[in-house]
Amino acid sequence: DTAVSQTPKYLVTQMGNDKSIKCEQNLGHDTMYWYKQDSKKFLKIMFSYNNKELIINETVPNRFSPKSPDKAHLNLHINSLELGDSAVYFCASSQEWQNQETQYFGPGTRLLVL
Amino acid sequence: GQSLEQPSEVTAVEGAIVQINCTYQTSGFYGLSWYQQHDGGAPTFLSYNALDGLEETGRFSSFLSRSDSYGYLLLQELQMKDSASYFCAVRDAYSNYQLIWGAGTKLIIKP
Repeated sequence: DTAVSQTPKYLVTQMGNDKSIKCEQNLGHDTMYWYKQDSKKFLKIMFSYNNKELIINETVPNRFSPKSPDKAHLNLHINSLELGDSAVYFCASSQEWQNQETQYFGPGTRLLVL
Repeated sequence: GQSLEQPSEVTAVEGAIVQINCTYQTSGFYGLSWYQQHDGGAPTFLSYNALDGLEETGRFSSFLSRSDSYGYLLLQELQMKDSASYFCAVRDAYSNYQLIWGAGTKLIIKP
């Protein structure tokens, strides 16, 4: 019954490694997002996808690459992890691009880079 | 540019009423959302105001004044479980309608 799910919930890894986070929503929504939340709790939008197409790509290092195989899935791959990548990454979805005011968030993936 | 301001922290007493303010500056304001996030949890949607006035949902109400570029979230009959961070977020037409988020207000409730 989970609306937006993410895996893994926790990720501890060494600097320089490559890792992926997966996100799935079963709400039938068209639009999905990736957010990064740092230790000060600031929520920063990273990517926005609408109907599998990348719409917004904020100022994010190109080590971060999103992939949307279908409307229900939006994965995030991170290459050459750095200490500063340590944060909580949230996936979210909204019914349509025009309904961004109401977003449903996944539980988050807590990434710690050592 | 766009900016949102909300207090970083607010303290209130259980059973009381608290108001969390949000002022914004955007080029193409579309609406104001409020989200709640408990420690260790994910943000959850609380309310959305596109028009001026007060919207009530149980103990929570949200207000918007477009002419003042200002809104607030009002929490009544505070309960300990209301201790959380509260984010305001603005839809901005000039940013392709995406949400612009405030830095969040940590609400501390004392017994």
